[in-house]
Amino acid sequence: SQQGEEDPQALSIQEGENATMNCSYKTSINNLQWYRQNSGRGLVHLILIRSNEREKHSGRLRVTLDTSKKSSSLLITASRAADTASYFCATDAPTQGGSEKLVFGKGTKLTVNP
Amino acid sequence: EAGVAQSPRYKIIEKRQSVAFWCNPISGHATLYWYQQILGQGPKLLIQFQNNGVVDDSQLPKDRFSAERLKGVDSTLKIQPAKLEDSAVYLCASSFRQNYEQYFGPGTRLTVT
Repeated sequence: SQQGEEDPQALSIQEGENATMNCSYKTSINNLQWYRQNSGRGLVHLILIRSNEREKHSGRLRVTLDTSKKSSSLLITASRAADTASYFCATDAPTQGGSEKLVFGKGTKLTVNP
Repeated sequence: EAGVAQSPRYKIIEKRQSVAFWCNPISGHATLYWYQQILGQGPKLLIQFQNNGVVDDSQLPKDRFSAERLKGVDSTLKIQPAKLEDSAVYLCASSFRQNYEQYFGPGTRLTVT
């Protein structure tokens, strides 16, 4: 089944550095979403990028999408300890009923050291 | 805006017992999702509702799991009987439209012993 796969599985950086996570997927998509999960706030939506978009920004987050390579990247600039979390990409897939559902990858565990 | 509510937050049961989880989505959100998240993995969709109709339940183990969404608002997910491998966090989410951003509840951590 279609699934985004994040890379790397784990990433440890120092506060102030940039963090880059990648997501690869198998089949054509309409959009791709990134979510963050930490113990304090649960799973939170970060950004949605559509298949006809190449780049999107939200605060310190920058997401790119390359549909020819079936890949996306999430860049967090000037990281903070509070960015410590697992980051998941989610791609849409067809449902039984002909609409769409999200399929999540296994995530990248980011640790930002103070 | 109130978020997605779930209860209970934690549940410990023995195998072969039954358990039920409750979810109240964000007001006005037509689509409701139940996910299972095993430690170290991403959420796996169990069932997706559009109003009170099922859109997808292809990964729901129907011999033991059931879910309903009466009146297109609240939803319950039941496991009967539970197995050890059902130990996981059960997440409920809702969205205004299908395939838009989803808002997740805090989850129910289930431990089956």
